[in-house]
Amino acid sequence: GDSVTQMEGPVTLSEEAFLTINCTYTATGYPSLFWYVQYPGEGLQLLLKATKADDKGSNKGFEATYRKETTSFHLEKGSVQVSDSAVYFCALSSGNTPLVFGKGTRLSVIA
Amino acid sequence: GAGVSQSPSNKVTEKGKDVELRCDPISGHTALYWYRQSLGQGLEFLIYFQGNSAPDKSGLPSDRFSAERTGGSVSTLTIQRTQQEDSAVYLCASSFGGGGYEQYFGPGTRLTVT
Repeated sequence: GDSVTQMEGPVTLSEEAFLTINCTYTATGYPSLFWYVQYPGEGLQLLLKATKADDKGSNKGFEATYRKETTSFHLEKGSVQVSDSAVYFCALSSGNTPLVFGKGTRLSVIA
Repeated sequence: GAGVSQSPSNKVTEKGKDVELRCDPISGHTALYWYRQSLGQGLEFLIYFQGNSAPDKSGLPSDRFSAERTGGSVSTLTIQRTQQEDSAVYLCASSFGGGGYEQYFGPGTRLTVT
């Protein structure tokens, strides 16, 4: 079945550092790819998405590019802030199916 | 506008008791999902409703779990004879459709089985 693998956390960075969270996937179809974020004490919310190869999703300074050749959707941000501290989930959905999530990566940004 | 709401926000129950968790999706959303978030297991899909189609129950972990969606809107997840391993945060999400549509998540119900 479909699966998502993302880098283990926790990740601790200083403010203004560059962030990369790796995500790779396995899917039988042609999935849509997502990054969801869960801030402390809050529910899951969509951060960005991409629905076809070479699409770049972006939001709040975060970016991820759908790479079909490497089956990857790595999340990047050029300069993280303390307010970016959260748990980040990579996910996919193929066709009319529910989301398949990675295990999540906890990011802590220190001032 | 109103988002997805869930109740109760917290539920503590004794092992062996039944519990009901409620989800109110965003008005107009035809798809409704239940997920479970627990330490060590991440986010697991439980069940999916899409319009009037038969629900996809492939993620339910045992026959103690069931869910229904009345009138294409509110959904109730029922866990019978709760076990300690059922302790988790139960999340509901809704969307305009399946697949590539964004899913909007509720705040979750934290279930603790003692």
